[in-house]
Amino acid sequence: KNEVEQSPQNLTAQEGEFITINCSYSVGISALHWLQQHPGGGIVSLFMLSSGKKKHGRLIATINIQEKHSSLHITASHPRDSAVYICAVSTGGFKTIFGAGTRLFVKA
Amino acid sequence: NAGVTQTPKFQVLKTGQSMTLQCAQDMNHEYMSWYRQDPGMGLRLIHYSVGAGITDQGEVPNGYNVSRSTTEDFPLRLLSAAPSQTSVYFCASSYYVGQPQHFGDGTRLSIL
Repeated sequence: KNEVEQSPQNLTAQEGEFITINCSYSVGISALHWLQQHPGGGIVSLFMLSSGKKKHGRLIATINIQEKHSSLHITASHPRDSAVYICAVSTGGFKTIFGAGTRLFVKA
Repeated sequence: NAGVTQTPKFQVLKTGQSMTLQCAQDMNHEYMSWYRQDPGMGLRLIHYSVGAGITDQGEVPNGYNVSRSTTEDFPLRLLSAAPSQTSVYFCASSYYVGQPQHFGDGTRLSIL
C-alpha cells in the first residue's frame, strides 16, 4: 500500500465547477505539500501546510492531522486549471513522499 | 533569476552508454535532490544532498551517482544505461529539507 494515496486518479469537470482532490497518508508528517504539474511537465509548489487551511486565489488547501487527510479545492474552475495535482508529505527525515497525482481536465 | 536549470531536456541513449544530467540552481539552496517520474507512480527520490560535499542515497539509487562540489551544481550520472532507466528526471532544490521545493523543467530520457 502506498504511503500517500490520492483520489480520484482522473477528474473531468465543466468550467465553473467546484473541484475537490483528496489525499490520505499513513505516515507521521512534519508538513504536507500540494504541487501542480503543468501539461508541459513543469512542477510548481502550491501550498505547504501542517495544520488548518490555506487559501491562494481560487485554491484552498485543508489538512486534518488526526484523520491523516488533506483536500485541495478549486473554486470556479477554469480550463487553465487543467494539470496534474500532486500531494506530497515531508516525514521529518531527508525525503519527501509523493502521491501518484490526480489528472484534472476542465472543459470550457 | 533562472531558478533550477536542467540540461538536456531530451536524450536518447543506447544500453550501456553513460551520461551526466546537469542541474544548477542560483538561489543558494542547501538541499538539492534528483527524482524520477514513471507513469502511474509518484516522484521517487534517487539521491539528495544537504550541502556542498554531502550526498546520500534516496529510494532508488542503483545505477546512479551524484556529487556536490559546489552549492549551485548537483549533476546526476548514469553509469551504464539500462532500459529500466527510461524515465523523466527532475532536479529540485529548497532552502532546507522539508521546505517547498523548486523544480527544474525535467529531462526526458529514453534508453534503447
